[in-house]
Amino acid sequence: GAGVSQSPSNKVTEKGKDVELRCDPISGHTALYWYRQSLGQGLEFLIYFQGNSAPDKSGLPSDRFSAERTGGSVSTLTIQRTQQEDSAVYLCASSLRQGNNEQFFGPGTRLTVL
Amino acid sequence: SQQGEEDPQALSIQEGENATMNCSYKTSINNLQWYRQNSGRGLVHLILIRSNEREKHSGRLRVTLDTSKKSSSLLITASRAADTASYFCATEGNKLTFGTGTQLKVEL
Repeated sequence: GAGVSQSPSNKVTEKGKDVELRCDPISGHTALYWYRQSLGQGLEFLIYFQGNSAPDKSGLPSDRFSAERTGGSVSTLTIQRTQQEDSAVYLCASSLRQGNNEQFFGPGTRLTVL
Repeated sequence: SQQGEEDPQALSIQEGENATMNCSYKTSINNLQWYRQNSGRGLVHLILIRSNEREKHSGRLRVTLDTSKKSSSLLITASRAADTASYFCATEGNKLTFGTGTQLKVEL
């Protein structure tokens, strides 16, 4: 079956604009995770969903970041009023359930804020 | 702050040699996972070792876990050029926390 998909693969935007990043998890995976990776760095946890609820939003860098998940499937990460420091690769992963499970990663969205 | 710290940060070896990467972490864990990342994009899961396991093998990969020292090692035997990638350890408590990674380069 299909793996985790993300869109767009690349996004260039101007400072101050809003962007939406989309993640389609593997069908049947109840847990979904968003990470951010800056150039040459490790992965920074942003948020995870179990079903449609987000028990842990502790990684969101600021109130300009928000995420939602609908129907226990697709998730959207929204960044409002983008700043240059938001430039990074945003990775989405899903797993069968939260905890003790292999995470399957999407190819990521490379966001560049000019 | 990062839970896992990989060592070394970068490693360059010749094809056929073994590569060893180490990971240290700070708090108690349920399991520890190793992932590989090519070209700065999606990660691929390599192996998971549970906190009550000490060693695990998968093909040319061997992972050890020492919970008393809060450390793990990943050994890749008989390396190939295709093994060139970044390798991350990730520890799972209530969420998966990744280290900063080891960049492995395998030269022909």
